[in-house]
Amino acid sequence: SQTIHQWPATLVQPVGSPLSLECTVEGTSNPNLYWYRQAAGRGLQLLFYSVGIGQISSEVPQNLSASRPQDRQFILSSKKLLLSDSGFYLCAWTLTSARGGQETQYFGPGTRLLVL
Amino acid sequence: QKEVEQDPGPLSVPEGAIVSLNCTYSNSAFQYFMWYRQYSRKGPELLMYTYSSGNKEDGRFTAQVDKSSKYISLFIRDSQPSDSATYLCAMIHQGAQKLVFGQGTRLTINP
Repeated sequence: SQTIHQWPATLVQPVGSPLSLECTVEGTSNPNLYWYRQAAGRGLQLLFYSVGIGQISSEVPQNLSASRPQDRQFILSSKKLLLSDSGFYLCAWTLTSARGGQETQYFGPGTRLLVL
Repeated sequence: QKEVEQDPGPLSVPEGAIVSLNCTYSNSAFQYFMWYRQYSRKGPELLMYTYSSGNKEDGRFTAQVDKSSKYISLFIRDSQPSDSATYLCAMIHQGAQKLVFGQGTRLTINP
């Protein structure tokens, strides 16, 4: 069965510090991978998605970046964190179905980031 | 206008009640519809997935899709305090890479 891991679970960082959040998926090959941010009491904001190694699509211009160095690894980074980067960061994966779509998406446990 | 509209609530009902959660959408190309349940401080969990118009039942949960009205619903029968969570609808059209989510409805079941 497939599992998705995210770490760390919680992170407190000062403004201006760098960030690296990691997501890995087990039990599947060539998944689509996604990074979302969820502010308190708000919906999901798609930040990046990737359809393959080295392929990153950015949804929202900001001081975050993403990389996919391996098939089942997705990394979210920042060189200098802002207060507004605080939130709940979720990684998700899908597999392309026989119909060619990404109909079901599965989420990781999330990383709670607090920037002070 | 957002592609997917979902009343954020909060919605509070007594234990045992039937709960109805709803989303409307504007893009008639959407073909696949999902409901996620998210407990506080956890990642969303896929609850129901439907492809066509009509009903799909899984235990106490029923997902309903009305493509002609661009309206989807999730019904919870015999609601339990453990059903207290935020429920998000999501949808996607064939060939797309990204789901479109509703804002989520926060639901509390009172014992």
